[in-house]
Amino acid sequence: DAGVIQSPRHEVTEMGQEVTLRCKPISGHNSLFWYRQTMMRGLELLIYFNNNVPIDDSGMPEDRFSAKMPNASFSTLKIQPSEPRDSAVYFCASSLYGVYEQYFGPGTRLTVT
Amino acid sequence: RKEVEQDPGPFNVPEGATVAFNCTYSNSASQSFFWYRQDCRKEPKLLMSVYSSGNEDGRFTAQLNRASQYISLLIRDSKLSDSATYLCVVHTGRRALTFGSGTRLQVQP
Repeated sequence: DAGVIQSPRHEVTEMGQEVTLRCKPISGHNSLFWYRQTMMRGLELLIYFNNNVPIDDSGMPEDRFSAKMPNASFSTLKIQPSEPRDSAVYFCASSLYGVYEQYFGPGTRLTVT
Repeated sequence: RKEVEQDPGPFNVPEGATVAFNCTYSNSASQSFFWYRQDCRKEPKLLMSVYSSGNEDGRFTAQLNRASQYISLLIRDSKLSDSATYLCVVHTGRRALTFGSGTRLQVQP
């Protein structure tokens, strides 16, 4: 069975550029989560969707970050404009049971120079 | 004070040893608790949920102490493959999940 799919796996971009990260959750899962992980701050929840509706976006750092879930099988996290401090690993996770039993994707390693 | 605190380690133990990690949480209204495992440069994976009465899964035992607001993970008969970072995770209801910064375990031959 396919797990959570994320693309790209690695992204290197220059400061000021727009970055779009993509996620395909496990088929049938109704909850989707975007996380960011850095050495300094650990794993932080950015936003949580349930049935394609954003439930909690209080972790989104600032207006430069936006996330969408146009349908049950696709979500994007966009950063515009990107800054060096956005460099991190971004994980997408999905779940059939709300916040429980989350399955993580392999992550996107973002480097902003 | 952080919502979820863990000793970062590393805990260096020989194969076959028993090792235990603790994790403290600050919100007494926390509802659910989990341990996730994360291998180096990989994604986190759910290891086990933590139930009020304590629970066991093979060599792994999880305990919850609500009065002192901590959870623990005990690993018996450590294997080399247990080497990883163990993340304590708490659900308060206010946020989806809050992850601790993790405890690194290195099992040595």
